Amino acid sequence: QSALTQPRSVSGSPGQSVTISCTGASSAFGDYNYVSWYQHHPGKAPKLIIYDVSKRPSGVPDRFSGSKSGNTASLTISGLQADDEADYHCCSYAGSWVFGGGTKLTVL
Amino acid sequence: QVQLVESGGGVVQPGGSLRLSCAASGFTFTTFAMHWVRQAPGKGLEWVAFIRYDGSNTYYADSVKGRFTISRDNSKDTLHLQMNNLGPEDTAVYFCAKDGVGFGEFGNWGQGTLVTVSS
Repeated sequence: QSALTQPRSVSGSPGQSVTISCTGASSAFGDYNYVSWYQHHPGKAPKLIIYDVSKRPSGVPDRFSGSKSGNTASLTISGLQADDEADYHCCSYAGSWVFGGGTKLTVL
Repeated sequence: QVQLVESGGGVVQPGGSLRLSCAASGFTFTTFAMHWVRQAPGKGLEWVAFIRYDGSNTYYADSVKGRFTISRDNSKDTLHLQMNNLGPEDTAVYFCAKDGVGFGEFGNWGQGTLVTVSS
């Protein structure tokens, strides 16, 4: 299963929106829509924020949304807040689990 | 609420062994598959191993196959990872994670335990 590529860092001001991409070869996603996203504040437990490309677990605000087009999955965070500053990781399951390299989000 | 607490990390010499544990609470442990995921310093997350809810099937990343063994004790709500023949490339924070309600995602995570392989 191929690797997934994420930008090393993104930034935005409070209230703005940011989008984090997650790109892979077609084999990275296979014929499945099992893409998930995790928010990770260093030193704490990672948190699932999106699964099955665009579904949100209970308790995750609708400011977080996911999508996928072709070989690129995306996470959009709208109405940025200071607490959104964290690392974000995409993951795809296509017979095995593979993660992207992670993206550091800075809230300016 | 779901709690996953890892333990057993530490410093070990190359070629050595270590056994990690993950104590689970707040959910019916016997009905969920479990995983180990690791993060090397400055790197992204890497899936390591999977075990079915009843322990009947296990899967491993190629990087650890033949060296690591995942197991679970459903009578004690505990997940284990036996790591043998450790190398510097195994230095990482190791997280245990519970399967999600969908398919293919990690629904809940622990805070991790640090394993350092160094002479």
